[in-house]
Amino acid sequence: SAVISQKPSRDICQRGTSLTIQCQVDSQVTMMFWYRQQPGQSLTLIATANQGSEATYESGFVIDKFPISRPNLTFSTLTVSNMSPEDSSIYLCSVQETSGNTIYFGEGSWLTVV
Amino acid sequence: GEDVEQSLFLSVREGDSSVINCTYTDSSSTYLYWYKQEPGAGLQLLTYIFSNMDMKQDQRLTVLLNKKDKHLSLRIADTQTGDSAIYFCAERRLQKLVFGTGTRLLVSP
Repeated sequence: SAVISQKPSRDICQRGTSLTIQCQVDSQVTMMFWYRQQPGQSLTLIATANQGSEATYESGFVIDKFPISRPNLTFSTLTVSNMSPEDSSIYLCSVQETSGNTIYFGEGSWLTVV
Repeated sequence: GEDVEQSLFLSVREGDSSVINCTYTDSSSTYLYWYKQEPGAGLQLLTYIFSNMDMKQDQRLTVLLNKKDKHLSLRIADTQTGDSAIYFCAERRLQKLVFGTGTRLLVSP
């Protein structure tokens, strides 16, 4: 199975700042995604990270707030911009293996905005 | 509706079987997944089932799928205290996973 590393694992951020989360996979994967899990809630898809082109965002999420990069098949970044306390969440990177069926998640990046 | 629904809480005794239920919404979903989330951790993929199957067994885990009723269940045999966690079902709509609300399983000794 794919091994996914996310950095940072946890951070406490000041209101108004931005933070970039990195996701590294140990093998080439077809799809990479970013999800958000707000405290005590389920997971919601933010966007699909597309290699070499702009990410595809879900309703309610915009590029200015959550810019995403995917320069190659094994790496992606998510930036949470101009943070407010409402952005305090777990942000999870997810990958779909080339077989197309298995979908794995990283350990998540736990952000607290103060 | 759009929601994938699960009961919020399940409590069992060690050694009993646990059954976690899920009702999904999209009859065209191709795969359905079960994930486990322990405190302070990410999501661990437990198993998944293709939508044209009605059962899948993997060691202590049995997944049952009733496509007509859009009902999915996860049975954990011989439940252990280490199985205490939140369990999420998810339906795959094209490339996107839509998650249920999560069921918190508490296993008491």
